[in-house]
Amino acid sequence: KNQVEQSPQSLIILEGKNCTLQCNYTVSPFSNLRWYKQDTGRGPVSLTIMTFSENTKSNGRYTATLDADTKQSSLHITASQLSDSASYICVVTTTRDMEYGNKLVFGAGTILRVKS
Amino acid sequence: SQTIHQWPATLVQPVGSPLSLECTVEGTSNPNLYWYRQAAGRGLQLLFYSVGIGQISSEVPQNLSASRPQDRQFILSSKKLLLSDSGFYLCAWTTLAGGSQGEQFFGPGTRLTVL
Repeated sequence: KNQVEQSPQSLIILEGKNCTLQCNYTVSPFSNLRWYKQDTGRGPVSLTIMTFSENTKSNGRYTATLDADTKQSSLHITASQLSDSASYICVVTTTRDMEYGNKLVFGAGTILRVKS
Repeated sequence: SQTIHQWPATLVQPVGSPLSLECTVEGTSNPNLYWYRQAAGRGLQLLFYSVGIGQISSEVPQNLSASRPQDRQFILSSKKLLLSDSGFYLCAWTTLAGGSQGEQFFGPGTRLTVL
């Protein structure tokens, strides 16, 4: 069964500190892995995307890593800001069929709260 | 540039009442369209997807239905809402397979509360 599990479920950190969010997946076949940021009451917005051959991808203060052998990914946030408070969702894309396109398997997300 | 709209933004409905949520996409043609539901503390659940006008595929059996009357319009409906239909409903679009490496672009969502 295709699944994406994220940890921790929630996290509180002080402004300026770093944090790392984890994502483990059992999805096959694997096409790519994305990290989305979802502000409260808004739709998710893509932060990074990594394919099978990519180990790391950065987007400003966000750095994602991928270990395709262990099927694990992490999202590292550096020098956190209050605006980083959001839900971070790990999404793995598996190719299903050409008519449907790609199928996305979503994790439940990690809720991050940055305190001043 | 492409934009995706959803309305209403929030909705409170009594049990047993009908539902109609609308999603429209601008700046692209022949998109794949998706309806998701996000319950509190849960991942997004795919409800319906559409690859073209009048073409609807259902992922999960339920009392909801979807329609695509126009290329860039996707509607989620119900004849009688249940308490369990409460949640955050997201519409998304993507180009055909392979475009943008499968990225789906999400709308702002509709918060539905069934009382």
